[in-house]
Amino acid sequence: DAKTTQPNSMESNEEEPVHLPCNHSTISGTDYIHWYRQLPSQGPEYVIHGLTSNVNNRMASLAIAEDRKSSTLILHRATLRDAAVYYCILRDDGGSTLGRLYFGRGTQLTVWP
Amino acid sequence: DAGVTQSPTHLIKTRGQHVTLRCSPISGHKSVSWYQQVLGQGPQFIFQYYEKEERGRGNFPDRFSARQFPNYSSELNVNALLLGDSALYLCASQPRSQNTEAFFGQGTRLTVV
Repeated sequence: DAKTTQPNSMESNEEEPVHLPCNHSTISGTDYIHWYRQLPSQGPEYVIHGLTSNVNNRMASLAIAEDRKSSTLILHRATLRDAAVYYCILRDDGGSTLGRLYFGRGTQLTVWP
Repeated sequence: DAGVTQSPTHLIKTRGQHVTLRCSPISGHKSVSWYQQVLGQGPQFIFQYYEKEERGRGNFPDRFSARQFPNYSSELNVNALLLGDSALYLCASQPRSQNTEAFFGQGTRLTVV
């Protein structure tokens, strides 16, 4: 079951940074924080994941709080193609759930030109 | 490179009928998972298969079943269809069951009338 809390929607202007928050106060020590996004009429797409340290890749950055009870997905320069539903997911790769993803409702990101 | 392919893309069935959905994972990926996405909600985990064995099942009735073949492709079967089974059915593949990103197909849109 989903164990994260995200705002229902956020808006941004094109070429501005976007910070998408996620609360996960009941996170356990073996939970990885994963972010996926889903563009209209497509399947979800992996964005980034991390355990304790901040992570960067070509798509985004993931900032993880020191107590791991919250995290923020950072899109450094939003484009119109970034308009999507963003899902923050806790995944216990060390336990019995074997990499399953439990999605919540996610955050609908609208990007204005 | 071929991604995850699902067939058919769209399907209309009548209540009480049976449906079979198919998924071909990315070459080399041994884990396949199925998700149901009802309109306006995030995907919900149905099944995970790894090396042709069921490794997990979500909170779905026994009308839902699946299997994985020696070539790692998979089928999801739903019997005695209900109107509430109308949804987007997503297949995801991973190279192994743990600690890897999941790659999703475009999904099969099932409408039950």
